[in-house]
Amino acid sequence: QKEVEQDPGPLSVPEGAIVSLNCTYSNSAFQYFMWYRQYSRKGPELLMYTYSSGNKEDGRFTAQVDKSSKYISLFIRDSQPSDSATYLCAMKGGTASKLTFGTGTRLQVTL
Amino acid sequence: EAGVTQFPSHSVIEKGQTVTLRCDPISGHDNLYWYRRVMGKEIKFLLHFVKESKQDESGMPNNRFLAERTGGTYSTLKVQPAELEDSGVYFCASSQDRTGGGYTFGSGTRLTVV
Repeated sequence: QKEVEQDPGPLSVPEGAIVSLNCTYSNSAFQYFMWYRQYSRKGPELLMYTYSSGNKEDGRFTAQVDKSSKYISLFIRDSQPSDSATYLCAMKGGTASKLTFGTGTRLQVTL
Repeated sequence: EAGVTQFPSHSVIEKGQTVTLRCDPISGHDNLYWYRRVMGKEIKFLLHFVKESKQDESGMPNNRFLAERTGGTYSTLKVQPAELEDSGVYFCASSQDRTGGGYTFGSGTRLTVV
């Protein structure tokens, strides 16, 4: 079983929709939770970074972490065609070096 | 601020040949990481440098892979001899602080072994 599970999609939504992306994990030691956006042929770009449980908002993006359920979410409001990309969740323990990634969810926002 | 730079962007080599990938981190970032994504799989950690020292190389698949970071600046990842299963995208990332999250990734080197 993978440490981090993420639905690969693809997920197709109309412009203006609210998008919900999710990951579950099994390792209780994870304390830092990140969402990366990756466009085709580019490297992952950090979108949101959260420590421990709670919510964090940045513009149209909201990240939620529920450590009791081992479940993290990324919400995108008023989605735009430019949001079309692969969204990767990643997490790490407090002193660990490495990030553990989900497989990524491919999102397509249509006009 | 310049980002993380990787080259080449794409390399096609024959099985048994040697390939060297290079990564230039963001200036001042002591922490440098190598990751790899094999087709259809998630991005996986290979190793972590703090300056010129290997902090964690638990993700290196075997001894055909050799990473160096001379002088604590740029890093190279050499694959010798390359095998078909080494094909994938190799990402480099850097950060100032390893205890937090949020590393800056390069665009990757797409390696194809034929």
